Amino acid sequence: DAGVIQSPRHEVTEMGQEVTLRCKPISGHNSLFWYRQTMMRGLELLIYFNNNVPIDDSGMPEDRFSAKMPNASFSTLKIQPSEPRDSAVYFCASTFGQPNSPLHFGNGTRLTVT
Amino acid sequence: DAKTTQPPSMDCAEGRAANLPCNHSTISGNEYVYWYRQIHSQGPQYIIHGLKNNETNEMASLIITEDRKSSTLILPHATLRDTAVYYCIVSLGNQFYFGTGTSLTVIP
Repeated sequence: DAGVIQSPRHEVTEMGQEVTLRCKPISGHNSLFWYRQTMMRGLELLIYFNNNVPIDDSGMPEDRFSAKMPNASFSTLKIQPSEPRDSAVYFCASTFGQPNSPLHFGNGTRLTVT
Repeated sequence: DAKTTQPPSMDCAEGRAANLPCNHSTISGNEYVYWYRQIHSQGPQYIIHGLKNNETNEMASLIITEDRKSSTLILPHATLRDTAVYYCIVSLGNQFYFGTGTSLTVIP
């Protein structure tokens, strides 16, 4: 099992540019989560999907952020336009979606916006 | 919102047992207790979870008090590779809210 796969591992971009982060969940998992981690705020849940449908996006910071899950094996998190305060490590996680199923995390994308 | 309280940091001698405490006094009847750890620059790693009974796997043991208001994660023989931030989380469904965790340093 390859685990949760995120790409790219590192992204450096200039303020105002569009950024797209990608995630491939573990095969068979039907729930997918996006988290953001910063020193100041720790790990924050941004949005999660169940069976490709967004269930709770209350953690998405603002309209510049959007997430999609077009099929069970792929999700994107897009930031447009990006700002320096978006610099963080973004993690994707997946699970079977059962009440006591643990999350499995990818190794994250480190985003730097200059 | 994180519903748990953990000490910010702990040290443990290599080879000794590491006992990491967690308070979750507002836990509801159906919420599970989960433990994750995060080694620098990696994604959080699942360790163990439980509801009422004590649990053990190849990584650790989880001791939950009878009133379920607190728990302890035990790493029986800590190694240098166990140096990480350990998160205790209570969750009913799949929404996991991470607090600040305990930074465990295993000392040679």
